[in-house]
Amino acid sequence: NAGVTQTPKFQVLKTGQSMTLQCAQDMNHEYMSWYRQDPGMGLRLIHYSVGAGITDQGEVPNGYNVSRSTTEDFPLRLLSAAPSQTSVYFCASSSFGGSGEQYFGPGTRLTVT
Amino acid sequence: TQLLEQSPQFLSIQEGENLTVYCNSSSVFSSLQWYRQEPGEGPVLLVTVVTGGEVKKLKRLTFQFGDARKDSSLHITAAQPGDTGLYLCAETGETNAGKSTFGDGTTLTVKP
Repeated sequence: NAGVTQTPKFQVLKTGQSMTLQCAQDMNHEYMSWYRQDPGMGLRLIHYSVGAGITDQGEVPNGYNVSRSTTEDFPLRLLSAAPSQTSVYFCASSSFGGSGEQYFGPGTRLTVT
Repeated sequence: TQLLEQSPQFLSIQEGENLTVYCNSSSVFSSLQWYRQEPGEGPVLLVTVVTGGEVKKLKRLTFQFGDARKDSSLHITAAQPGDTGLYLCAETGETNAGKSTFGDGTTLTVKP
């Protein structure tokens, strides 16, 4: 099992550009989520999904869109990048009926200039 | 949203020393996870505690869950440079739904 994979590993965008961060998991987990991590802070939840076709907002959803067409994939879209979105983005998955343990991808380091 | 407070924020010690880091909340945890994150990588789950008063051991790491389920601690015995990293606690809530609330973490540096 590859676990949770994320692409790209690094990305530099100019203000106003759009892009999609890819996330895939091969553990057949029902739940998937996106977090951002800024220096000196823990992880903050952007969006999450409890299954294909179902998504909801987390703590910091503005400027981001998600969709979940399959169990395996959960892409995160930046609609119009802003310098405040410079951060490291982590995708995670977890299973229904567990105690909340999450499995994380390696992250995407995004810089918006 | 539950607020998790971790302390200390930074800790720098010599190899062989013992240490304890803490995670506290004003609300009751349904379950609590501890993760370790190394630079440039995603967090990796260390343990989940669920029952008040629970103690779990993972080699040199000992995790305790408070009796009232409002606090937890991580104790490392004879720290090694490989223990260096960011230690995060997280709480998922009774509804689970794959979303966790994280503390800001404790950054541990173990010097050889």
